[in-house]
Order: sequence, then C-alpha cells, then structure tokens
Amino acid sequence: AQKITQTQPGMFVQEKEAVTLDCTYDTSDPSYGLFWYKQPSSGEMIFLIYQGSYDQQNATEGRYSLNFQKARKSANLVISASQLGDSAMYFCAMRAPNFGNEKLTFGTGTRLTIIP
Amino acid sequence: NAGVTQTPKFQVLKTGQSMTLQCAQDMNHEYMSWYRQDPGMGLRLIHYSVGAGITDQGEVPNGYNVSRSTTEDFPLRLLSAAPSQTSVYFCASSYQSGSSYNEQFFGPGTRLTVL
Repeated sequence: AQKITQTQPGMFVQEKEAVTLDCTYDTSDPSYGLFWYKQPSSGEMIFLIYQGSYDQQNATEGRYSLNFQKARKSANLVISASQLGDSAMYFCAMRAPNFGNEKLTFGTGTRLTIIP
Repeated sequence: NAGVTQTPKFQVLKTGQSMTLQCAQDMNHEYMSWYRQDPGMGLRLIHYSVGAGITDQGEVPNGYNVSRSTTEDFPLRLLSAAPSQTSVYFCASSYQSGSSYNEQFFGPGTRLTVL
C-alpha cells in the first residue's frame, strides 16, 4: 500500500521568501513517481512538478524544485521567491507504475498563504 | 481542445435523490477516473476506467456507479444521495502508461451538497 504524509496543514510565508512544503511517502514499490499539484481558491488542480524514483537529479520547473531524498522517503517542494499568487493548497501525490491503474495516492495537503 | 470538462459546477440535492455528474475529455485518453475531495483528507479514488466498457472500483466506491460507453465520457451516478456524499468531485484522465510518469489531467470539479 502507498501512503503520502503532509504534516503541515497550513503555512504563512512572507512574500519573496523561499518556502519548503514537506512530503513523506511510503511504498514497497521500487519504481514510483511523485507529483505536486497546486489548488488555488478557484478549485482546479494544477500539475507543478514530477520526480521519478530513479531520477538522478532533483526535478526543477521554474521557481519550483523538488528536494528528493530517497533514503528518507521525502519529496519536499521548494518554491523560491514566493509570490502572492502562490497562495493555494498544495498536494503531494504518488503512483507506482501499474499498467491498468493510473491511480494517484494523495496527501492531505498544505494550505500556503503568502503575506505581502 | 477543451481538455477535461465537468458538469454541473455546483449541485444541491436532497437526501435520497439521484443524479449524474458528467465528465468528458477530448484528448483520446484511455484512462479516466473520479476522485472526491473532502476537507483534511486529500483526494480519494472512487472509480476508474481503462477504456470503453471497462470500469473498476477505487478506494471509496460505495454509493456510486459508473459506466463507460465511449472513450470520451465517464459519468458518475449517485443512486440515492446521502449527506456523507457532500464533497467536491474531480474527474481526471490520462493515457495508459507502464511508466511511473503519467500526468493526469483534472477537470474543474463539481461541488455537491446533499441536504
């Protein structure tokens, strides 16, 4: 069974500061993928970044980077130079390659609020 | 290319009423799924489908039915709504993949309240 844990229900960060959102996971599959989604107040789910378990380097997408520590089973999202528009819910999710079920297992999310 | 569309955006039902949440995608994705989002619980998989005529249960299937007669559409039916089904429902679609990387595309969600 797969499990995602996000231990920060809410965070407040000053604008322009960097922020780290924590995510730990548990799986017995050797191959898996980790995803981060952003959910603004409008409600849609926006894909941010992906990290594969065999990737040698941490994933980066613009201001987003993923601090992947495989031995610790953590996949923290780092947002550099935060902006007011970063205020949203953030979900960490995982899937193991399983042809026939593309299911994502989600964490409970972190509500990030950027303070001007 | 509309992506994944869901209707309605909002719905209020009385206990015991039935309704169908609609989901459609125009990306020719084989895989479609329904999640529900509840406060403090993240998104949980209700049902999924790997192609027309093929559906299976997720982790919270009770009280919901699905069918898939076309590649494009994957409706979710509530046969007898209960207050416990008050939630935000997301439809998602993707290609079938044997890889751990497979981006799922989400619809805008349907906010359902059962009184």
